[in-house]
Order: sequence, then C-alpha cells, then structure tokens
Amino acid sequence: SAVISQKPSRDICQRGTSLTIQCQVDSQVTMMFWYRQQPGQSLTLIATANQGSEATYESGFVIDKFPISRPNLTFSTLTVSNMSPEDSSIYLCSVTSGAIEQYFGPGTRLTVT
Amino acid sequence: DQQVKQNSPSLSVQEGRISILNCDYTNSMFDYFLWYKKYPAEGPTFLISISSIKDKNEDGRFTVFLNKSAKHLSLHIVPSQPGDSAVYFCAPLMNYGGSQGNLIFGKGTKLSVKP
Repeated sequence: SAVISQKPSRDICQRGTSLTIQCQVDSQVTMMFWYRQQPGQSLTLIATANQGSEATYESGFVIDKFPISRPNLTFSTLTVSNMSPEDSSIYLCSVTSGAIEQYFGPGTRLTVT
Repeated sequence: DQQVKQNSPSLSVQEGRISILNCDYTNSMFDYFLWYKKYPAEGPTFLISISSIKDKNEDGRFTVFLNKSAKHLSLHIVPSQPGDSAVYFCAPLMNYGGSQGNLIFGKGTKLSVKP
C-alpha cells in the first residue's frame, strides 16, 4: 500500500480565512480523493481530485468553497475557503490504483474559531 | 437518509473472545463491502472486503459475512486482542462502470477489547 502524508496535521484558524491542506503519496496513484469527518459523524466524500482537470464534487460541495488541485500523480491540495466554525472537521485524503480498497492519509484536524 | 447503518456505537469484549460488528445497508446496488479500522489521530486502515457475489470472506482472525437478502453484513474477529481496540467502519462501494466508485461510510462502532 502507498505511504500517504498530509500537511498540516492540525491547525486552528479564524473564521473568514482559508487553509490549504497538502496530500503527498510516495508512489504514483490512479485516483485521489478528499473526505471530511465532522465531529461525531462518518466520513463523507468531498470530491475526486483529477489530474490535470477540474475535480469532481459530490452533492453539497462546491469548487468555490473547496478548490482542489492535482498537478501530478503523487500530489493534491484541498483548500477550505472562507472558513466558518461548521468547517471544523478532520480532512482526509485517500488514494487507490485500481484496487477496490482506498488507502487513507493520517488526516488534518481543523478547528475554526 | 442513511444508506449505511452501524447501530451499535460501541462494543466491549473480553480478550480471547469473539467480537461481532454489524452493518445494515439499504442500497442493493452496492458491489463491494469494505471494513476499515481507525485508531485515534490516524487515518482509517483497510481491513477486509467482500464482493456482493460472495457470502463469506476470511483473512486470518477476521471474517466478514454478507447476507444480501437481509442487506446485512457482519465482521467477526476471533480471538479478539487488546490491539483490536479501535473504531470500525463499514464502507460499501458502488463501482460505476469499472471506474472507482464512492465509498459510503457508516458512523462506526468503537470496539474495546479488555485484557
């Protein structure tokens, strides 16, 4: 399985600001995803990060709020824009290379005050 | 509307005994069912999966059973070990036309294995 790192591991941000989360994989992967886990909730898919093209967003998530980049097969970023306390969550990236299972990074714990 | 339900938020078992974690789903179109475990401050780790065309898959101490008619699956861990203490997520997958589909996660069951 791939080794996945995320930066930062945690952050405390003020409302109205933006935070960019990085996801780095140690090998080329076919697909990269971004998930959110709000307090007491399950993981929810935000979007699929597509290399060289716009991300594919799930219902309820929009590009203006969660812009995503994927410049190559090993790296992606998720930006949480104009943050509010409701954005306080753990954000996780995951990857797969055609297998059924996805492999997850350690997550970024975001607190918005 | 929840497509995946893990109705037991927590489960406590004695070391050496069997742990049974349950999951119910509503969508009959799921192709695969995955189980993940998650330790605090870490991302979910893939544990075991089962195809919708099978009713059992076994990997060491872990066995997953699928009852399609009841839309129910369960993960059995035997014997349970203290290191198995974690949150376990049921995550069905719909594989759209061969491309990677979405994982739909349940809310998880926190397993505590007591020495």
